[in-house]
Amino acid sequence: DVKVTQSSRYLVKRTGEKVFLECVQDMDHENMFWYRQDPGLGLRLIYFSYDVKMKEKGDIPEGYSVSREKKERFSLILESASTNQTSMYLCASSADSATQYFGPGTRLTVL
Amino acid sequence: AQSVTQLDSQVPVFEEAPVELRCNYSSSVSVYLFWYVQYPNQGLQLLLKYLSGSTLVESINGFEAEFNKSQTSFHLRKPSVHISDTAEYFCAVSRTGAGGSYIPTFGRGTSLIVHP
Repeated sequence: DVKVTQSSRYLVKRTGEKVFLECVQDMDHENMFWYRQDPGLGLRLIYFSYDVKMKEKGDIPEGYSVSREKKERFSLILESASTNQTSMYLCASSADSATQYFGPGTRLTVL
Repeated sequence: AQSVTQLDSQVPVFEEAPVELRCNYSSSVSVYLFWYVQYPNQGLQLLLKYLSGSTLVESINGFEAEFNKSQTSFHLRKPSVHISDTAEYFCAVSRTGAGGSYIPTFGRGTSLIVHP
């Protein structure tokens, strides 16, 4: 079974803090993705990576950056957290089949 | 550009009744189509997918979806729902992106609520 893990299920941070969300997959997938999920808006793609050190902007990259130093790990960084970044963050990985495998999500609250 | 429209944000239904969750997409290129399900407090998991071949695809728990190219639709159906089917359902369409990756676009989701 493919397993995608995220470092925290719940996270509370203050405005202006730097926030790291970590995602690890164990299936040697080339592609990894970060989404945010908000009620009524579905999933929106923030960034994705198709190889180590490669990254591409998704639909809503503003206020976020990513890092992929190793194939199995994809990090999402909020340089200076703001209240409008309070959301559920979902990580996913995929190989050639286009099927995405999701982690359980991190619910981030920015106060 | 591609987009996905899920026509119903919420679908209430009684147990053992049939259900249809509607999904329409727009894309200028060939696409792959997916339905994902999200149970409370969990991530998404694949329910079924259409890549090529037969336009009717089925899942292991009784759901099915039919790819209709002329109507650009991929509606999800189940002839008899269970309480355990209560969840959020997302339709998605994928296109090829950088590095040969597949980039999905998700709909806004449909909340299926099954009442006893």
